[in-house]
Amino acid sequence: AQSVSQHNHHVILSEAASLELGCNYSYGGTVNLFWYVQYPGQHLQLLLKYFSGDPLVKGIKGFEAEFIKSKFSFNLRKPSVQWSDTAEYFCAVNIDTGRRALTFGSGTRLQVQP
Amino acid sequence: DAGVIQSPRHEVTEMGQEVTLRCKPISGHNSLFWYRQTMMRGLELLIYFNNNVPIDDSGMPEDRFSAKMPNASFSTLKIQPSEPRDSAVYFCASSATGTDTQYFGPGTRLTVL
Repeated sequence: AQSVSQHNHHVILSEAASLELGCNYSYGGTVNLFWYVQYPGQHLQLLLKYFSGDPLVKGIKGFEAEFIKSKFSFNLRKPSVQWSDTAEYFCAVNIDTGRRALTFGSGTRLQVQP
Repeated sequence: DAGVIQSPRHEVTEMGQEVTLRCKPISGHNSLFWYRQTMMRGLELLIYFNNNVPIDDSGMPEDRFSAKMPNASFSTLKIQPSEPRDSAVYFCASSATGTDTQYFGPGTRLTVL
């Protein structure tokens, strides 16, 4: 079964700092990759997704992620974070075999200090 | 579009009581998912339906949990009897045919005393 690892459990940054959150998955076949964000007290919202094509995908709110197949990674980046980016970020994967459910990582709590 | 709708948003009940959580997927979406979020286990899939048919219920914890989808616009997740360890946020999500992007509802925060 596939699994998703997010190694950073809690990240604290100052405003304007650059962000990179790691995500690794374990599955050798074709995968679809997602980053979701959960703001305090709210539901999960899709930040970006990768299905195929250009491995560098851009999402909402200035976020981007790069799919590196050789490293089984899909790291999330933002060049300059804002206080409003304080949230929990989840990486998710589903394998491209018709099983449509997502497997989520454990999440990374990002705290941006003003 | 109203998005995925879940009710109730908060539920507090006593151990042993029956709990029913409800979900209305986005109109036109044919897949519906139930997830549970806890501090200990994170986000985990409980069950998902495709065209109202349960496809994968391997995440359902035990027989106390059951889910139904009587039609394309409504699903329920029932816990009977409830236990304190069932306390969690339960999310419903839906996706459209031919896509794997899931849209989540606001969740139901369940507390079992």
